[in-house]
Parts: sequence; C-alpha cells; structure tokens
Amino acid sequence: NAGVMQNPRHLVRRRGQEARLRCSPMKGHSHVYWYRQLPEEGLKFMVYLQKENIIDESGMPKERFSAEFPKEGPSILRIQQVVRGDSAAYFCASSHGGPTEAFFGQGTRLTVV
Amino acid sequence: GIQVEQSPPDLILQEGANSTLRCNFSDSVNNLQWFHQNPWGQLINLFYIPSGTKQNGRLSATTVATERYSLLYISSSQTTDSGVYFCAVRNKNTGTASKLTFGTGTRLQVTL
Repeated sequence: NAGVMQNPRHLVRRRGQEARLRCSPMKGHSHVYWYRQLPEEGLKFMVYLQKENIIDESGMPKERFSAEFPKEGPSILRIQQVVRGDSAAYFCASSHGGPTEAFFGQGTRLTVV
Repeated sequence: GIQVEQSPPDLILQEGANSTLRCNFSDSVNNLQWFHQNPWGQLINLFYIPSGTKQNGRLSATTVATERYSLLYISSSQTTDSGVYFCAVRNKNTGTASKLTFGTGTRLQVTL
C-alpha cells in the first residue's frame, strides 16, 4: 500500500537547465497538489491538478514553470531554464478530492548551481 | 485567501514537558490537518481534524470550527518530537476544488 512517491529525491541542475520532478499519487487518488518550500519557510501552494486537468494554478510562477497530470503515468512538474532562486524542496500531495485527507510525498530537493 | 496563523513560532521544551500549539484561521474550513516535519524534511500526517477532538498516543488535537481555531497537544515530549509542526486548512467557501493552505509553523526543540 505505497504512499505518494516522488522522484528523484535530490536533483542538481546547472543554471539554464531543465528540471523534471515526478509524483505518483497514492493508489486510488486522482487529485494532485504541488507545493514549494524555501529554506526555513513554510509550504507554498503552486498548482492543483486532477487527471488531465489543471484545477488551480494560482501559485505557479507565470514563466518557466508548468505541470501536467496525464491520464496514464505520474504528475510532472517542469521547470525550464532554472535559476538559483528555484533551489527549494518541492512536495507533492494527493487526495480523493474535496475536503478529504491529503498525503504528502518525501519531496524532491532541487539545488541549482 | 484564507489566512492561517500559528503560535508560538518557536518553542523549546525539556524532555517530559507538555505543550500546546495553536492554529487560527480566518474563514470557514472543511478540512484541517496537522503535520510534523521532522529534521530530515519529511512531512508526517498527524491528524485530519476538521472538527472535534482526536487522540493518538501522546498527541491529541481539538478543532473548534465555529471559533476558527485548532489546538495540538503534545504530552510527555520526547527528543523525537523535535521539528516543525504545520497546520493546514481547506477553505469551505471556495468550493470542493480548493487547496490546502499552510500556516507558518511552530518550530519545536525538545532537549534532554
């Protein structure tokens, strides 16, 4: 009964490269949320997706960031042309939707050098 | 959007002591969760508690939704309780398709 799986756990990218972060939700969950945590700060909402649909992307930066949750396969958070300020922990959560309990993955720690 | 405030921001306890952490929110909620982020960064679900009281071992939580606050009680604290405790809520007034909004957290350090 696997939980939310994120990979990679750690990712190092040079400035200007692309970062792809993956999230497989818990079995039976069709709602996925991405959050970013800067060092010594709280979790900030980025985007909320349901299978093949973006429900709320109000927390996503307007440029360089995109997210998808295809019919088959994991959800992907993509960051193009990374900059040092993108260095953070990125967490994914999943739920059944609505006011139900959300469960988080272990996060991907992105370091931009 | 909904505002979530946690207090105190920092707390140092001696092992064995008890503590109460508070979470205030600015609008009606239909989901409230408490999380523990351990020193390795992992987020652990403690309680799903949109209302009422729950207990799990040395931890318990109470949410009074009508007064817009929740409390997390830690009894007989242990060094393994150290980390950051987050409260997160879902705003009832933004419909079913809404996100969890996190508070700024309470950083707890338990010393020997």
